[in-house]
Amino acid sequence: QKEVEQNSGPLSVPEGAIASLNCTYSDRGSQSFFWYRQYSGKSPELIMSIYSNGDKEDGRFTAQLNKASQYVSLLIRDSQPSDSATYLCAVIGNNYQLIWGAGTKLIIKP
Amino acid sequence: GAGVSQSPSNKVTEKGKDVELRCDPISGHTALYWYRQSLGQGLEFLIYFQGNSAPDKSGLPSDRFSAERTGGSVSTLTIQRTQQEDSAVYLCASSLTSNRASGANVLTFGAGSRLTVL
Repeated sequence: QKEVEQNSGPLSVPEGAIASLNCTYSDRGSQSFFWYRQYSGKSPELIMSIYSNGDKEDGRFTAQLNKASQYVSLLIRDSQPSDSATYLCAVIGNNYQLIWGAGTKLIIKP
Repeated sequence: GAGVSQSPSNKVTEKGKDVELRCDPISGHTALYWYRQSLGQGLEFLIYFQGNSAPDKSGLPSDRFSAERTGGSVSTLTIQRTQQEDSAVYLCASSLTSNRASGANVLTFGAGSRLTVL
């Protein structure tokens, strides 16, 4: 059973600090990794995608991938109250199967 | 269209009735997914279509659930003899494809269909 694990939270971070969200996956053959953000009552929307080891930066967001340790993380710098949402990790493993984590609820406190 | 369109946005039905939920994916997207999300829960995979391949129905919770995709575009999810536990938001998503090509497998979600079974 292929799995993607996330801490459900809630993760509470003060405004302006760095929020760090983590995700581990079981399928060592996974090649594509995604972070989606889901506001309450809304649909998920893509934040970051990453396909190779290392860091990928986009504005205040940085995705980090470590295939040897089978984890992917999302860092949010200068956290804002508008970043408060549930963050979903998704992984495409073998057979192109898309596996979702259950999500981490992030709360940014003003 | 510009995005993934789902209808109806809200549906209230009585237990035992059949419902149909519609998804119109982004034009040119060959992969289409249906998910179910109960309040405060994660995404529950239901069914996946990729081009002309046989759909992956492994997530359908019972034989009351079925889905089809006509002409490789619009999809309809049908729930027969609805039960109260079917109440949830049903999300449709599409992607350009589902292979490992970078960027081509990014999902775009519709706004969802909220189903309430009384």
